[in-house]
Formats: sequence, structure tokens, C-alpha cells
Amino acid sequence: QKEVEQNSGPLSVPEGAIASLNCTYSDRGSQSFFWYRQYSGKSPELIMFIYSNGDKEDGRFTAQLNKASQYVSLLIRDSQPSDSATYLCAVNYPGGNKLTFGTGTQLKVEL
Amino acid sequence: EPEVTQTPSHQVTQMGQEVILRCVPISNHLYFYWYRQILGQKVEFLVSFYNNEISEKSEIFDDQFSVERPDGSNFTLKIRSTKLEDSAMYFCASSVTGENEQFFGPGTRLTVL
Repeated sequence: QKEVEQNSGPLSVPEGAIASLNCTYSDRGSQSFFWYRQYSGKSPELIMFIYSNGDKEDGRFTAQLNKASQYVSLLIRDSQPSDSATYLCAVNYPGGNKLTFGTGTQLKVEL
Repeated sequence: EPEVTQTPSHQVTQMGQEVILRCVPISNHLYFYWYRQILGQKVEFLVSFYNNEISEKSEIFDDQFSVERPDGSNFTLKIRSTKLEDSAMYFCASSVTGENEQFFGPGTRLTVL
């Protein structure tokens, strides 16, 4: 069974702080990793994708991938109340073209 | 910016009835998907579709489910005889290739009574 694990939270951070969201996956051969943001009652919205080991930055967001540790993370700098949502980690396992999602981490950014 | 669209936004049906959920993927995308999310649970893959055929399906996608691309723009999910446990949000997604990022539509909330 190919799994994607996330801490469900909630993770509470003060406005302006860095939020760190983590995800582990079970298949070492995985190639593609995605972070989606989901507001309550809405659909997943793509935030970041990363395919290679290391860091990838896009504005306030940084995705980090460590394939040896089977670990992918998302950092959100200067967190805003509008960042309050559930963040979904998704993995595209090799040989398939489907996304396997984690349960998501609920982030709360407090004023 | 191009986006995936879905209709209807909310569908209420009686148990045992057939429903068809509709999606218009992003126009230059070649891979199409259906996912579902039961309230409070994770997003689950149902089926992927490429080159006018199913390329992968999950255990959830049994004989009660079918997909079709009836024309050059629409992609549909049919549930033949709905059950109470089919109540969920159904999301359509599309991507350029099977490995690329997938873009999701706004979803259809299906309520089976």
C-alpha cells in the first residue's frame, strides 16, 4: 500500500511567522511531489511542485525534497491569516498517473 | 487563466438513481482524472483517462462507475445506481502529461438520500 503521511494538526502560527508543513511517503521510487492548498468546502489548489532533491522557492513558499529520507516539506514565510487552510501533500508514484494524497495538515495563522 | 470547470456544483439524488457529473478539462491537457473526497476524509483517486480510454482505476471505481469523453471538450463520470456511501465531493482534474501537475475543478457535491 503506497502511503503519504501528514500530521493532521492543527498547526498554529502567529501572523508573520514561518509555517513548516511536513510529509513522508512510502515509495522510494516516487518522482513527482505536489503541495495543494484546500480551503473548507473548496477544491485543491496547486501551490508548489518539486521533482528534484533540494529546495524550490516561489514567492513566500519553499518546497524541500529529500528523496533519501522520503520526506517533502513546505515552508510558508511571512504567514498571513489568508494562508489558514488545509495543506495537502500529494505524490505521483512511478508507473502510474494518479496522485496519492495525504490527509492534509490544517494550518491556522493567528493575528 | 484557463481552468477546469464542473457542473453541476451540487447534485441531490435518490438512492438507486443514475447521476452524470460533467467536467470540461483545460483545453490543451491530455490526461483527465476523477477524484472524490468524502466529508472529513482524504482526496481519493477514482480513475484516469488518456487517449479515449481508462489508463488506471482504483478499487473504488467498480462496475457502477463509468467515464466518457463524448465530444472534444467534455469529460463525464456516470454512477449507474447511487448508494448512500457515494455521497461526497467529486473533483475532476486534468494535466498535460501523466507526471505533470494536475489542476482541479471546483467540484460537484453529490448528496444521495
